[in-house]
Amino acid sequence: DAGVTQSPTHLIKTRGQHVTLRCSPISGHKSVSWYQQVLGQGPQFIFQYYEKEERGRGNFPDRFSARQFPNYSSELNVNALLLGDSALYLCASSLGGGTGAGNEQFFGPGTRLTVL
Amino acid sequence: AQKVTQAQTEISVVEKEDVTLDCVYETRDTTYYLFWYKQPPSGELVFLIRRNSFDEQNEISGRYSWNFQKSTSSFNFTITASQVVDSAVYFCALSERLGNQFYFGTGTSLTVIP
Repeated sequence: DAGVTQSPTHLIKTRGQHVTLRCSPISGHKSVSWYQQVLGQGPQFIFQYYEKEERGRGNFPDRFSARQFPNYSSELNVNALLLGDSALYLCASSLGGGTGAGNEQFFGPGTRLTVL
Repeated sequence: AQKVTQAQTEISVVEKEDVTLDCVYETRDTTYYLFWYKQPPSGELVFLIRRNSFDEQNEISGRYSWNFQKSTSSFNFTITASQVVDSAVYFCALSERLGNQFYFGTGTSLTVIP
């Protein structure tokens, strides 16, 4: 079975531009979470979606938005890019929206975004 | 507020040595989950273990073992007889029982020297 997939793998943008990152969860998983990992730091939670509804939001500005589609894939959008948005963006999927037994989050390989 | 501290930024050991990675957490919740993830150079986070706050029994899986102590709010990870393939960044993470997010530590970069 395919794991969590993310596209693109790498992306280079300039300040002020907009970017869309995509994530496809493991088949059967209905929850998708997004994390930002700046170099040398641990991942920071951005959003979680479950059954196409937002279930949680981290401490990120409104320039960050996301959505989940009927097939449970998800997009993360970032507007007005700043240099500080350069990071590895990780997507994780799980069966449901909680963290109980059986709800381990499986992470994708990430999208490395560089903002120049 | 939840918080995870991994005080060891980098550790280097010679192959076959044992190594312990420390994790201290902070939470006001009585129910919570603790996790360890491995991040190889490829960047993908690999799930290693999950423990809930009501289960303090230590766990061993092959060369890996975990020591969970609520009294000291610690969840330490030991690799026995380390191997070069263990070289990676290891993250400890905390989550509320029905929470929607992980709180990750800053990670410990482990280098195993052949």
